[in-house]
Amino acid sequence: QKEVEQNSGPLSVPEGAIASLNCTYSDRGSQSFFWYRQYSGKSPELIMFIYSNGDKEDGRFTAQLNKASQYVSLLIRDSQPSDSATYLCAVGGGADGLTFGKGTHLIIQP
Amino acid sequence: NAGVTQTPKFQVLKTGQSMTLQCAQDMNHNSMYWYRQDPGMGLRLIYYSASEGTTDKGEVPNGYNVSRLNKREFSLRLESAAPSQTSVYFCASTSTSGSQNIQYFGAGTRLSVL
Repeated sequence: QKEVEQNSGPLSVPEGAIASLNCTYSDRGSQSFFWYRQYSGKSPELIMFIYSNGDKEDGRFTAQLNKASQYVSLLIRDSQPSDSATYLCAVGGGADGLTFGKGTHLIIQP
Repeated sequence: NAGVTQTPKFQVLKTGQSMTLQCAQDMNHNSMYWYRQDPGMGLRLIYYSASEGTTDKGEVPNGYNVSRLNKREFSLRLESAAPSQTSVYFCASTSTSGSQNIQYFGAGTRLSVL
């Protein structure tokens, strides 16, 4: 059984600060790692994907992957109130779908 | 370009009734998926279709059937709905060519079974 673990939160961060979201996964054979953002009542929206160890940056978002530790993280710099949402970590390796964590609820305080 | 389209958006059923959730994608993707999302549970895979003509069970397939009608369409059927199937259902698709395997989601179907 593949598992993806996230702290459910809520994680409260002041506006303008860095939000740090973490995720661990059980399947060492996993090759693809994704962060989705989901607003209440909406569908998941892709924020970042990463395949190789190290950091990947896109605007205010940085994804970090450490396959040896089976650990994925998402950093959000200069956090804005519009970043308040649930962030889903997802892990997969092929056409058989993704395994999702339960999500971390992030609150950016103005 | 609509992406992934799901119908209906909302549905209320009585226990024992049947219904089919429809999903269509216009991105020429090979693979399609059905997930359910329950409060505090994340998304769980019900069934998937890696390519046209094939379907496979996911993590929580009991009580559901699927049909990959053609490359664009993948439907989910509840033959005899139960209150435990009250959930939000998401359809997703991905292209398996290349290395990205990014999944794109529809807007979801909110189903209540009374």
